[in-house]
Amino acid sequence: DAKTTQPPSMDCAEGRAANLPCNHSTISGNEYVYWYRQIHSQGPQYIIHGLKNNETNEMASLIITEDRKSSTLILPHATLRDTAVYYCIVRAFFGNEKLTFGTGTRLTIIP
Amino acid sequence: EPEVTQTPSHQVTQMGQEVILRCVPISNHLYFYWYRQILGQKVEFLVSFYNNEISEKSEIFDDQFSVERPDGSNFTLKIRSTKLEDSAMYFCASALRTSVNEQFFGPGTRLTVL
Repeated sequence: DAKTTQPPSMDCAEGRAANLPCNHSTISGNEYVYWYRQIHSQGPQYIIHGLKNNETNEMASLIITEDRKSSTLILPHATLRDTAVYYCIVRAFFGNEKLTFGTGTRLTIIP
Repeated sequence: EPEVTQTPSHQVTQMGQEVILRCVPISNHLYFYWYRQILGQKVEFLVSFYNNEISEKSEIFDDQFSVERPDGSNFTLKIRSTKLEDSAMYFCASALRTSVNEQFFGPGTRLTVL
């Protein structure tokens, strides 16, 4: 799996949009970008994934650059419950099923 | 909403003892996983399981570890002779299919080896 680079920590004011960047410059054509988060010591929670088009669901939006070398997870109206570690993971469509977690970005929502 | 459950939530054991961690995956899921997270460290993959056999395992998953799906609902992780360094949160996950399907994680079992 390709490696990802994320800032170690970020703060965001409650009610504002949280934009979490991820670099995956070595991503290959058959690899998806996944985002998970881990609230305190709970099990990781799936947020969203995408291949090359921008994606949106009830939790977040995922913007992938045209060259696919980076992406941004957007939480449109951050709440205190969004305080968590956010992981950007690149994973092949076929082949390894496992998720390889990095150190992620610790997002703190400020009241 | 269906969810993955794990028992116990916290297990304390003496070094050298056997432990079994239990998981009930989401009922129609076909792929099952164990991960662990040592305090303050990354979430690490241990093993994946499909069609009643291991499909992939990591270097961590040595002969002391085994997995089993004894019936249609449970998925267990056994550590035969626990070591101090096995102390961690152990997460079970399941997925309907591999590739693009997301993995659903349980709340974890905190294993403390004394």
